Amino acid sequence: GNSVTQMEGPVTLSEEAFLTINCTYTATGYPSLFWYVQYPGEGLQLLLKATKADDKGSNKGFEATYRKETTSFHLEKGSVQVSDSAVYFCALINPWGGGADGLTFGKGTHLIIQP
Amino acid sequence: NAGVTQTPKFQVLKTGQSMTLQCAQDMNHEYMSWYRQDPGMGLRLIHYSVGAGITDQGEVPNGYNVSRSTTEDFPLRLLSAAPSQTSVYFCASSSGRSNYGYTFGSGTRLTVV
Repeated sequence: GNSVTQMEGPVTLSEEAFLTINCTYTATGYPSLFWYVQYPGEGLQLLLKATKADDKGSNKGFEATYRKETTSFHLEKGSVQVSDSAVYFCALINPWGGGADGLTFGKGTHLIIQP
Repeated sequence: NAGVTQTPKFQVLKTGQSMTLQCAQDMNHEYMSWYRQDPGMGLRLIHYSVGAGITDQGEVPNGYNVSRSTTEDFPLRLLSAAPSQTSVYFCASSSGRSNYGYTFGSGTRLTVV
């Protein structure tokens, strides 16, 4: 079946530090990959996506590249801000690989940025 | 645009009670799904729908029923609430099968005592 593994936190960084949150997946075929962000007390917001190998998703300074050879979709940002403090979820959808028409999530990474 | 609207935001149930969590979207999205979020578990898919009249089970469907009579609405029914169903529930919708991200509602926090 499909699964997503991501580093669990909390991850604590200083403002302006470089961020990497690792995400790897298991899936047959060619899933679409997503990063979602959840701020305290809120629902999930789509941060970025990639739908085929070597695609790079980007938004608000965050980037992630779909690497099929390593089954990875690591999230990066060059200079984090206090406002980036949130929980980040890596997810996939793989309806053509025998999966459901719904998202499979990692367990989430709690990111804390200190001023 | 309201997006995805979930009601209620908070609910306390007694064991054995039934209730319906409401989900409505105004974006004419065909794909809708329900998730539960538990600490340390991420989000897990309960049920999903690919259009009016079509539903299917996700990863954790036991104890929940769904129906999709209209494109806009996708209610989740708890038949006989159990403490193990204490969780935060999210509804989400999407316009495409896999190339589009899902839009999430703000969630329903359910406590079963």
